[in-house]
Amino acid sequence: GESVGLHLPTLSVQEGDNSIINCAYSNSASDYFIWYKQESGKGPQFIIDIRSNMDKRQGQRVTVLLNKTVKHLSLQIAATQPGDSAVYFCAESRMDSSYKLIFGSGTRLLVRP
Amino acid sequence: SQTIHQWPATLVQPVGSPLSLECTVEGTSNPNLYWYRQAAGRGLQLLFYSVGIGQISSEVPQNLSASRPQDRQFILSSKKLLLSDSGFYLCAWSDDRGGGTEAFFGQGTRLTVV
Repeated sequence: GESVGLHLPTLSVQEGDNSIINCAYSNSASDYFIWYKQESGKGPQFIIDIRSNMDKRQGQRVTVLLNKTVKHLSLQIAATQPGDSAVYFCAESRMDSSYKLIFGSGTRLLVRP
Repeated sequence: SQTIHQWPATLVQPVGSPLSLECTVEGTSNPNLYWYRQAAGRGLQLLFYSVGIGQISSEVPQNLSASRPQDRQFILSSKKLLLSDSGFYLCAWSDDRGGGTEAFFGQGTRLTVV
């Protein structure tokens, strides 16, 4: 379910290192997942998505992994840069709810120079 | 190309006053439309979801209402604002293609109820 009431956990990484941001989802019927990046005072921006018939998808410097067995989603950012500092949200949706997007609680990523 | 417009960017309203936030989408037809609220330093809470004109589902009990008078217009309203209505309100749209697609967000409205 949604965890919108929780304060955001923070992940601090050194510039150039790889970052891994995790997300647990609750509904086993969810079949479409998205990662978003939100910078301060702005709306979320799409990063990458994955469907439940896949377990890995790669983009530019980002990889999303999906483990349906344990209902876990992760976002890997390679060679993290200062511009990657933001809040990252996972979102899930499923057919029986008209694919409306439900967001996870989010993680704040801080990149140390 | 598709664009989403949301206004105003910031708003300060007294308790008990009415509210109307407007969101419009250009460059697409029959979009799915969303209103989310985000408290400071927290996640996004889905408030309303619409798959067509006049079709709106309310996701959480609240002091707000939504309307979709036109295909690409989504309005968030309140008759009397509460202090707890303060937050960052985000409108979003997605394509009605079935099978799930990403949602595109507006820049948000920061509402402060005083």
